[in-house]
Amino acid sequence: DTAVSQTPKYLVTQMGNDKSIKCEQNLGHDTMYWYKQDSKKFLKIMFSYNNKELIINETVPNRFSPKSPDKAHLNLHINSLELGDSAVYFCASSQGLEGGYEQYFGPGTRLTVT
Amino acid sequence: TQLLEQSPQFLSIQEGENLTVYCNSSSVFSSLQWYRQEPGEGPVLLVTVVTGGEVKKLKRLTFQFGDARKDSSLHITAAQPGDTGLYLCAGAGLRPRNTPLVFGKGTRLSVIA
Repeated sequence: DTAVSQTPKYLVTQMGNDKSIKCEQNLGHDTMYWYKQDSKKFLKIMFSYNNKELIINETVPNRFSPKSPDKAHLNLHINSLELGDSAVYFCASSQGLEGGYEQYFGPGTRLTVT
Repeated sequence: TQLLEQSPQFLSIQEGENLTVYCNSSSVFSSLQWYRQEPGEGPVLLVTVVTGGEVKKLKRLTFQFGDARKDSSLHITAAQPGDTGLYLCAGAGLRPRNTPLVFGKGTRLSVIA
């Protein structure tokens, strides 16, 4: 059974479009995250949710809006896509908020904006 | 802002060689994690070190946390092609305790058969 799943795996779209990425975890974790990994493989946190509540919102354009309908799901909606949004987006989950907990990552969604 | 510097950035070695990668910071961390990421996959946790000076072994991989909890190293003995991947260190800050992990930029290892 996949612990953290994301859909779609690949997403190719044009500038200006709106797209969503879905994430689900079946680990019973309270905390979920969205990370962005750029072409140089730098992994940077975007958002963190705990029990469906937004905890961390790093410096991310407000075109990015996360939504957590329940503890097992954290979706990412992106409006007015730009070329610079091209990256791999990872969803992750952990048992708790503290940074020392192991993070379980999904397989990533490779977003290409043309 | 806590930063983690990893070195080297890239490493290409022959099968059977030994190697060490480093993760350094000027900040103290409550714990440090090492992840390995293979192409097309998400990072997977290898180990967490918590105590200053701690050494953990995972088969041919040896992880060490610096005494001051500001740095860490990963040593691989007799590297194999299956060790190829991106190695990421990630530090958990001291305060506040709900701050997210800080990731280094990674060391991309290629082991050639």
